[in-house]
Amino acid sequence: KQEVTQIPAALSVPEGENLVLNCSFTDSAIYNLQWFRQDPGKGLTSLLLIQSSQREQTSGRLNASLDKSSGRSTLYIAASQPGDSATYLCAVRGRSGGSNYKLTFGKGTLLTVNP
Amino acid sequence: DTAVSQTPKYLVTQMGNDKSIKCEQNLGHDTMYWYKQDSKKFLKIMFSYNNKELIINETVPNRFSPKSPDKAHLNLHINSLELGDSAVYFCASSLNRAYQETQYFGPGTRLLVL
Repeated sequence: KQEVTQIPAALSVPEGENLVLNCSFTDSAIYNLQWFRQDPGKGLTSLLLIQSSQREQTSGRLNASLDKSSGRSTLYIAASQPGDSATYLCAVRGRSGGSNYKLTFGKGTLLTVNP
Repeated sequence: DTAVSQTPKYLVTQMGNDKSIKCEQNLGHDTMYWYKQDSKKFLKIMFSYNNKELIINETVPNRFSPKSPDKAHLNLHINSLELGDSAVYFCASSLNRAYQETQYFGPGTRLLVL
């Protein structure tokens, strides 16, 4: 059974700092890994999707890496801004044991960027 | 011009009642999903429909019954509500069931059972 863990659970940084969020998963048989952002009282917004054959994806100040064999992904946020404050969720789409098509989520990292 | 919309946004009800949550997507997607986010913030898949056909049905109590009248709608009906059903329910959609497709989420329905 796939399990996704995100560390740290919460992170508070001053504006302008570069930061890294971590995600680990127990079953490396995945199709892809996706990072989402969740704002309070709102739905999820997809940030980056990395296919299992890829090593990283970049979008603006965000860079996500994937090391499938070790079951790890990181989300790097450069020059953080107060508007980046949100919960960041990692999710993997499994490809074994009936987990096809299904996203398994971590609990998320609550990021606060202080002005 | 919301892509994935849910109604209602908030739902407060008594234990034992029956309630429905509606979801609509205007993206032309074939696949839709229902997720539950509990008090511990874990987001878990409940159901998925592809072109009105059920493709994922996790171990969800029979009191929960999804209904897809057409591929743009996936409603969730809950019978005999229990305290443990209190959670945020998210609807999502993707272009199709292919693994590489991104899922787009609705704003969530906050259900509180008293």
